[in-house]
Amino acid sequence: LAKTTQPISMDSYEGQEVNITCSHNNIATNDYITWYQQFPSQGPRFIIQGYKTKVTNEVASLFIPADRKSSTLSLPRVSLSDTAVYYCLVGGSGAGSYQLTFGKGTKLSVIP
Amino acid sequence: EAGVAQSPRYKIIEKRQSVAFWCNPISGHATLYWYQQILGQGPKLLIQFQNNGVVDDSQLPKDRFSAERLKGVDSTLKIQPAKLEDSAVYLCASSRNRGTNTEAFFGQGTRLTVV
Repeated sequence: LAKTTQPISMDSYEGQEVNITCSHNNIATNDYITWYQQFPSQGPRFIIQGYKTKVTNEVASLFIPADRKSSTLSLPRVSLSDTAVYYCLVGGSGAGSYQLTFGKGTKLSVIP
Repeated sequence: EAGVAQSPRYKIIEKRQSVAFWCNPISGHATLYWYQQILGQGPKLLIQFQNNGVVDDSQLPKDRFSAERLKGVDSTLKIQPAKLEDSAVYLCASSRNRGTNTEAFFGQGTRLTVV
């Protein structure tokens, strides 16, 4: 499994755009990049997934350069409710099912 | 659709006692995961099932932890005997597993305190 590196913590003011970058130098050809969000006392929640270029949904955007060795999660105009831990996962299909390995995550604190 | 159900939500036991956690995944989801999350850390995969077969249990402390998924639906995770360092949140997740780009859904977890 490809190892991921992301910042331990980030602070942002309300209304700003937040970009969290994840490095995954050893990403394999069949690996997807997935981001999860976790609030205190809750299980992680899927945010977005991508393979290459750009993916956008109603919550976030995911930017993946051509070499796929890094990815950036972009949260537009964050609010206090976006304060959470964000995990970058890289993995593909192994032994017939999808592998889901979490790292340490990035703790995002949104300041009023 | 109903989410992943876990019980109990909280459990306090003394060290060397036994404990069991139960998980009911989303209907139709073939893959089921059990994670251990210690305070301040990311979730650590303990075991992964594909239907009722084990795909990965490389990080499961098999001398004290066991898990089963009978009939490929519900699952139980057991700890016997418990140690102080087992205090953590135990998370269950499930996914439909159709190809590589699949989303996993997590339950709220069981918070275990070993005293």
